[in-house]
Amino acid sequence: DIQMTQSPSTLSASVGDRLNISCRASQSIGDWLAWYQQKAGKAPNLLIYKASILHSGVSSRFSGSGSGTEFTLTISSLQPDDFAIYYCQHYNNEWTFGQGTKVEIK
Amino acid sequence: QVLLVQSAAEVKKPGASVKVSCKTSGYTFTTYGISWVRQAPGQGLEWMGWISPFNGNTKYAEKLQDRVTMTSDASTSTVYLEVRRLTSDDTAVYYCARGLAEFDPWGQGTLVTVSS
Repeated sequence: DIQMTQSPSTLSASVGDRLNISCRASQSIGDWLAWYQQKAGKAPNLLIYKASILHSGVSSRFSGSGSGTEFTLTISSLQPDDFAIYYCQHYNNEWTFGQGTKVEIK
Repeated sequence: QVLLVQSAAEVKKPGASVKVSCKTSGYTFTTYGISWVRQAPGQGLEWMGWISPFNGNTKYAEKLQDRVTMTSDASTSTVYLEVRRLTSDDTAVYYCARGLAEFDPWGQGTLVTVSS
């Protein structure tokens, strides 16, 4: 089974900061990776798919990069609405989520 | 507008079964698969499996495959998740989501509480 490991688990940041969240796969997964944002008490929302494709309607301050085993979600300038938990997800015959990264107010 | 609307919260006793529904609208039902994901209290996301309403094909997570059944009803554009032999470890919010690759959109979630 493919394992997905996110780092850090918690990230303290301020409005306007540039953030990078890492997701590492235990073996190569090509670009079969998505990123989701989840706010408290709500269902997750898709941000990025195929590692770097911005989902329709998602702010351009979000971007994704990487392939193989190393992936990054970048938020270019953190906004108040961005404080949430972020999950990466591998999909391609296996479906596995990372454990999540909580972005909290510094 | 694509919508997935799930059934209401359930409270079940250990050993019982639960069936959660996910009614879809705003697109052609048979053209997209539906996946199920659950989230235990304070925990991360766990993929449970998917169903293709087009042909009824299913794929379940290995750890759940002997206790889970996913079905679909094209006449009502609804997908169902049944979980049998419930234990306290099955207490979670259960989500349906459209797609067999990336998931979008998601239903609002159904809280299933297993308690004696």
